[in-house]
Amino acid sequence: AQTVTQSQPEMSVQEAETVTLSCTYDTSESDYYLFWYKQPPSRQMILVIRQEAYKQQNATENRFSVNFQKAAKSFSLKISDSQLGDAAMYFCAQRDYGQNFVFGPGTRLSVLP
Amino acid sequence: DGGITQSPKYLFRKEGQNVTLSCEQNLNHDAMYWYRQDPGQGLRLIYYSQIVNDFQKGDIAEGYSVSREKKESFPLTVTSAQKNPTAFYLCASSMGTGDGYTFGSGTRLTVV
Repeated sequence: AQTVTQSQPEMSVQEAETVTLSCTYDTSESDYYLFWYKQPPSRQMILVIRQEAYKQQNATENRFSVNFQKAAKSFSLKISDSQLGDAAMYFCAQRDYGQNFVFGPGTRLSVLP
Repeated sequence: DGGITQSPKYLFRKEGQNVTLSCEQNLNHDAMYWYRQDPGQGLRLIYYSQIVNDFQKGDIAEGYSVSREKKESFPLTVTSAQKNPTAFYLCASSMGTGDGYTFGSGTRLTVV
């Protein structure tokens, strides 16, 4: 069965600094997808970044990038130049091909001015 | 603009009452999903549908029911059999297997 673990329930970062959120997952499949979602206080879930497991190159979206280590089944999210608007819950999610998403428990990120 | 609309934003249910949460999408997505989110917890899958007139139970389907009569609509009914329905409910849709979910803005259900 798929599982997703986020070992950091809470994190904080100083504005303009860099922070890395951890995620590990477990799947027996070789073809799958990984995602990071952001849930701000409005509770709207927003897709931050997506990674296809068959691609070795790490995905990047502006200030957000991932460190995808397939052998270690690790998928961390790096936020550079943190902004106050980055404060939110962040969920890591994994999706086997043809299956549903599995979400991690989330990491609450605080950004300190 | 395409998106998912959930209504109402806030809903109050009396003990023993059934309530229905609405979820409508105009993204032409085939698959739709219902998740429950409790405070400080992640998302748990209630029901999902990959095609019209077909749906499957998720991890916590007891006390809930759904229908999928139209591609655009996937309403969730919280029945009186659901003993602890107070939660935040999120509807999502997806086009393909590798696509991310698009989420609605959620419905906050409270038992009074």
